[in-house]
Amino acid sequence: GQSLEQPSEVTAVEGAIVQINCTYQTSGFYGLSWYQQHDGGAPTFLSYNALDGLEETGRFSSFLSRSDSYGYLLLQELQMKDSASYFCAVIYNQGGKLIFGQGTELSVKP
Amino acid sequence: EAQVTQNPRYLITVTGKKLTVTCSQNMNHEYMSWYRQDPGLGLRQIYYSMNVEVTDKGDVPEGYKVSRKEKRNFPLILESPSPNQTSLYFCASSWGVGNQPQHFGDGTRLSIL
Repeated sequence: GQSLEQPSEVTAVEGAIVQINCTYQTSGFYGLSWYQQHDGGAPTFLSYNALDGLEETGRFSSFLSRSDSYGYLLLQELQMKDSASYFCAVIYNQGGKLIFGQGTELSVKP
Repeated sequence: EAQVTQNPRYLITVTGKKLTVTCSQNMNHEYMSWYRQDPGLGLRQIYYSMNVEVTDKGDVPEGYKVSRKEKRNFPLILESPSPNQTSLYFCASSWGVGNQPQHFGDGTRLSIL
């Protein structure tokens, strides 16, 4: 079966840097995405990696190593509003079938 | 305004009573997908569609049906709902997959008694 693993929760202080890891085991791989979800709200897209390396978008960066089946989301200059759940998701067939991780709840403290 | 609209937002119903959750997008997106979200399980894909008249099963399709007769609409049908389908449901759409960001609707909270 397909599986993704990410930590269930992470705590950090305002202004700090935090890294959320995601390891995957899937039958195919076409890309790794990251989504943010605030309590009760709709998920919003953060980033996507199809090739190895780092993608940077403002305070958020995402990294992928296909040989290690591993990626991470890096959040810099943490703000209180970054407190949310973060999900990684792998697209594992060309048709658009994908699987999400169980989510990492990030708590940002003052 | 670009958006994905789901209806209803909340529904309490009884076992066995057929229901449909509608999903409509105004961005001319080709890809649409349904997910359910349960505590501790993240989002699980139910069905997805790459284009009109093309649908495929996700990870948890049992007990659900979908159709894609027009590009903008992708309804989720529960023919005979059961309590284990009580969940928060999200519809999403995008131009394609991969680096195309999925736009999610606001969610539909279903309670099956």
